[in-house]
Amino acid sequence: NAGVMQNPRHLVRRRGQEARLRCSPMKGHSHVYWYRQLPEEGLKFMVYLQKENIIDESGMPKERFSAEFPKEGPSILRIQQVVRGDSAAYFCASSPDTGMANEKLFFGSGTQLSVL
Amino acid sequence: DAKTTQPNSMESNEEEPVHLPCNHSTISGTDYIHWYRQLPSQGPEYVIHGLTSNVNNRMASLAIAEDRKSSTLILHRATLRDAAVYYCILRDSGRDDKIIFGKGTRLHILP
Repeated sequence: NAGVMQNPRHLVRRRGQEARLRCSPMKGHSHVYWYRQLPEEGLKFMVYLQKENIIDESGMPKERFSAEFPKEGPSILRIQQVVRGDSAAYFCASSPDTGMANEKLFFGSGTQLSVL
Repeated sequence: DAKTTQPNSMESNEEEPVHLPCNHSTISGTDYIHWYRQLPSQGPEYVIHGLTSNVNNRMASLAIAEDRKSSTLILHRATLRDAAVYYCILRDSGRDDKIIFGKGTRLHILP
C-alpha cells in the first residue's frame, strides 16, 4: 500500500506564474489536509477536504490560493500569480474515512516550491 | 483546538532514554493526545496517541498523567535518527477536524 504521494517534489516558478501541487492520498483515504511550512517555521494548516467537498479552508489565504479534491484523481493545491513569499514546503496528509480524532494522519514528503 | 505547551528544545545523549514533556492543562475529557515528529527535510510522521491509559508501540511510549493535564513521550533508547521536532497535539474525539501544530520540541541527539 503506497503512502501519500506528492508531486512534484520540487517546483520552480517565476513570479506571476501558476503553481499546481498534487497529492494522491493513501488507498482508502478520503480525507486530505494541506499544510504550508515556511523556512525555519512551523507547519501551518491551510485546508481540509473530503471528496468533492471543502470542509475547512480557514487557513487558506483569501486570494490566489485554491484547493480541490475531485471524485476521481488527486487533490490539487493551486497558487495563481505566485510571489516570492509563497516559497515554502507544502505538505499533504490523508486519513481514513472516519476522520475521527483517534485516527492518525499520514503525510507525504512534500513539495518544495521556489519562486524566483 | 486545546493548547499544548512544550519546551523549545532538548538535548540527549545517544543510546539514553529521552523524556519529552507536554502540558495541556485545558484538555477536555474527549481530547486525544497525539504525538508526531518531523525529521529534517521530511513530512511529519505519526508517533503515538492515547486518551487516558499509558500506551506503548514500537517507536515510543506515552505516559499520561492521572489528571490528564500533562503527558510525556518516552524514547527508550535514542539514536541519531531520532533527532527531530516533536509535536504534542490534542484532538477532540467525535469531531471531524484538522490537526493544528504548535512549535514543538526540537530534540538534539549527541553522539
